[in-house]
Amino acid sequence: KQEVTQIPAALSVPEGENLVLNCSFTDSAIYNLQWFRQDPGKGLTSLLLIQSSQREQTSGRLNASLDKSSGRSTLYIAASQPGDSATYLCAVNRSNDYKLSFGAGTTVTVRA
Amino acid sequence: SAVISQKPSRDICQRGTSLTIQCQVDSQVTMMFWYRQQPGQSLTLIATANQGSEATYESGFVIDKFPISRPNLTFSTLTVSNMSPEDSSIYLCSVEMTGAYGYTFGSGTRLTVV
Repeated sequence: KQEVTQIPAALSVPEGENLVLNCSFTDSAIYNLQWFRQDPGKGLTSLLLIQSSQREQTSGRLNASLDKSSGRSTLYIAASQPGDSATYLCAVNRSNDYKLSFGAGTTVTVRA
Repeated sequence: SAVISQKPSRDICQRGTSLTIQCQVDSQVTMMFWYRQQPGQSLTLIATANQGSEATYESGFVIDKFPISRPNLTFSTLTVSNMSPEDSSIYLCSVEMTGAYGYTFGSGTRLTVV
């Protein structure tokens, strides 16, 4: 069974600081890994998708890396803004069964 | 990527009643997924819904409690039956588009059972 862990559970930083969010998974036989953002009481917004053959993906201030062999992914958010305050979820898509395994999330607060 | 319209966005229901949640996708998809997110928790998969066949439920979820319909390739409903306060959660539908988009989620239904 795939176990996904996100550390830290919560993070508070001043505006402008870079954010580093970590995700680890136990089974390296993954199809892809996806990072989501969730605002309180809302649905999920997809941020980045990394295929198992890729090492990283970038979108604007966001960069996600994937090291499948060690079971880790890291989401970097550069020059954080108060609007980045949200919960960030990592989800691993296991090979061949289309099911996502989610981490518990990292709740980020960016202080103005 | 797909766009999903999910309704209702929130509801407050009396215990013992049922609520049906709808998801409409703007393109045809083979599989739709229903998730539950209990307060302070991450997402748990309830079931996978394929058009033309019965939904496949995950361990701990049963059809009598969470009946699902999938009448066509763009629409699905999840009913939460005989509700109790423990059913208070956010319910989300999701689809997976092959290629570079990964999974897309609906905006969620925030259910409170009183």
